[in-house]
Amino acid sequence: EAGVAQSPRYKIIEKRQSVAFWCNPISGHATLYWYQQILGQGPKLLIQFQNNGVVDDSQLPKDRFSAERLKGVDSTLKIQPAKLEDSAVYLCASSLGRLAGGIGETQYFGPGTRLLVL
Amino acid sequence: AQSVSQHNHHVILSEAASLELGCNYSYGGTVNLFWYVQYPGQHLQLLLKYFSGDPLVKGIKGFEAEFIKSKFSFNLRKPSVQWSDTAEYFCAVNAGSNYQLIWGAGTKLIIKP
Repeated sequence: EAGVAQSPRYKIIEKRQSVAFWCNPISGHATLYWYQQILGQGPKLLIQFQNNGVVDDSQLPKDRFSAERLKGVDSTLKIQPAKLEDSAVYLCASSLGRLAGGIGETQYFGPGTRLLVL
Repeated sequence: AQSVSQHNHHVILSEAASLELGCNYSYGGTVNLFWYVQYPGQHLQLLLKYFSGDPLVKGIKGFEAEFIKSKFSFNLRKPSVQWSDTAEYFCAVNAGSNYQLIWGAGTKLIIKP
């Protein structure tokens, strides 16, 4: 079974530039998550989709971050404009989505995108 | 706000030593508890999880964890570690009004051969 795919793997940009990350979840997984992991910390949920609807985006900085999951499969996460403190690994994960909100479900992670903002 | 604490950021052990990694959470309601592991150069993957029932949960590669509700803890254990257990271990909890997964900061485990 193919895992969660993410691209690019690495990205270096200057502050105030924009950047986009792409995620393709495991086939058949209805729930998709985007996490931000800053060095030395655990992942922090940015946004959670159930199919193409948003379940939770309470920690997404909406003034600069946006995400979409058109057609309920692939997803993109965008940062515009980027700040120095956005330097982090951006993880995408997916789960079956059979339980409400994905509660208790195993999440399957992609390799992450390492972003460095200069 | 809900939080998850992992007591040790770095642990160094010799092969065959016993392992216990601490995890405490701050939420008084129903919780689901997870341990994820990230081996060097690999993705995060599930080690074990507690959903309901027997509070002693067994996972892959000989790991187990015990949910002690009265202590708000879900410590990870392994009786005899191997060099291949070198990895970063994360505790996570589904909790709160929206049940999002809240993660600890992780524990880097190094096993000396």
